[in-house]
Amino acid sequence: GQQVMQIPQYQHVQEGEDFTTYCNSSTTLSNIQWYKQRPGGHPVFLIQLVKSGEVKKQKRLTFQFGEAKKNSSLHITASHPRDSAVYICAVFAGGTSYGKLTFGQGTILTVHP
Amino acid sequence: DSGVTQTPKHLITATGQRVTLRCSPRSGDLSVYWYQQSLDQGLQFLIQYYNGEERAKGNILERFSAQQFPDLHSELNLSSLELGDSALYFCASSVEGEQGYTFGSGTRLTVV
Repeated sequence: GQQVMQIPQYQHVQEGEDFTTYCNSSTTLSNIQWYKQRPGGHPVFLIQLVKSGEVKKQKRLTFQFGEAKKNSSLHITASHPRDSAVYICAVFAGGTSYGKLTFGQGTILTVHP
Repeated sequence: DSGVTQTPKHLITATGQRVTLRCSPRSGDLSVYWYQQSLDQGLQFLIQYYNGEERAKGNILERFSAQQFPDLHSELNLSSLELGDSALYFCASSVEGEQGYTFGSGTRLTVV
């Protein structure tokens, strides 16, 4: 089935530093979604990217979809301790844009004050 | 409150027992998904229901079963429980074709 690899698995940064996580697929994706899961919490939908080369911003978060639609990145500028969470990418199976999502393993981000 | 309600929040039970986890989807969402999340694994897809019918199945064990009722709430039944079944079980709902899943707060199952 569809699989995505996320790197890095863990990241520790100091408050104010930038952070980037990457999501890679061996096949072309129809779209990609990003979720945030705080410690002890549930995944919360952040954004969906659909178009090749698409870039979307949410305050200090920048999401990008690769030109070949095989990879995506999430960049956080000037991180805060409240950004500490697992950031998870997710894709639909079989190149579709509906149905069940396959989630990556996630990147665990810890922001130290 | 995400709009997806899962009960119970915590469950401790013995090996060999059977439990039922319940999920009420967000109002208007026809699809319900069940995922298992263990400490060393990410979110593993178990099963999807759409408007009462099974739509997709993942690596769900034969000891596990689920159903979606006419009022769209769903139940996940886990039987002959083993220690390895200890995990967080999440339910999510969505409107087909719309963006993003809405997750419930999960049920933490501990098998002792």
